[in-house]
Amino acid sequence: NAGVTQTPKFRVLKTGQSMTLLCAQDMNHEYMYWYRQDPGMGLRLIHYSVGEGTTAKGEVPDGYNVSRLKKQNFLLGLESAAPSQTSVYFCASSLQGGSTGELFFGEGSRLTVL
Amino acid sequence: GDSVTQMEGPVTLSEEAFLTINCTYTATGYPSLFWYVQYPGEGLQLLLKATKADDKGSNKGFEATYRKETTSFHLEKGSVQVSDSAVYFCALSVYAGGTSYGKLTFGQGTILTVHP
Repeated sequence: NAGVTQTPKFRVLKTGQSMTLLCAQDMNHEYMYWYRQDPGMGLRLIHYSVGEGTTAKGEVPDGYNVSRLKKQNFLLGLESAAPSQTSVYFCASSLQGGSTGELFFGEGSRLTVL
Repeated sequence: GDSVTQMEGPVTLSEEAFLTINCTYTATGYPSLFWYVQYPGEGLQLLLKATKADDKGSNKGFEATYRKETTSFHLEKGSVQVSDSAVYFCALSVYAGGTSYGKLTFGQGTILTVHP
């Protein structure tokens, strides 16, 4: 059982380039999330989705876009990467919302923007 | 707004030592409280949780009690092992009713290193 899979796991970009991070889950979860992890700041929510075809902004959405065209996939896009977006990105999913259900995390994608 | 504050790290212990990682929170409403653990090179995974005051969550020898009067959820383990070396995150979520999302708010994380 793969759980939550993120691709790619590592990426280096130049300022202004674009890229997409893919998250796939095989647990039939309704909720999916994208977080970024920065030293000393814990995890901060970028965007989330409560079901196929829906997306919503989290705490730090600026500079990112997302799409949830299929229930099992949640894509995170950077249209014009900036050095401030250098971070480790985690995708997560849950059957219910975070208040009652456990979140299942992927292994992370380390992005460096030069 | 909701927030979680964890004790400053990193924490370094010898094997079989007692562990406490402090966590306090502020929240509107009645939060559920969680401890997540992140082992090197991996994503976070749920360690334990408590959904109401005075509940005790426990797993793998770790315990934490939901203390509403002190707004705390401190993580404890009586005898740590080298394999417990990881980053520990305290988190909360407030359910706002109906189809509310109830987002998780994380603390900054505490790095634990256990030496043989």
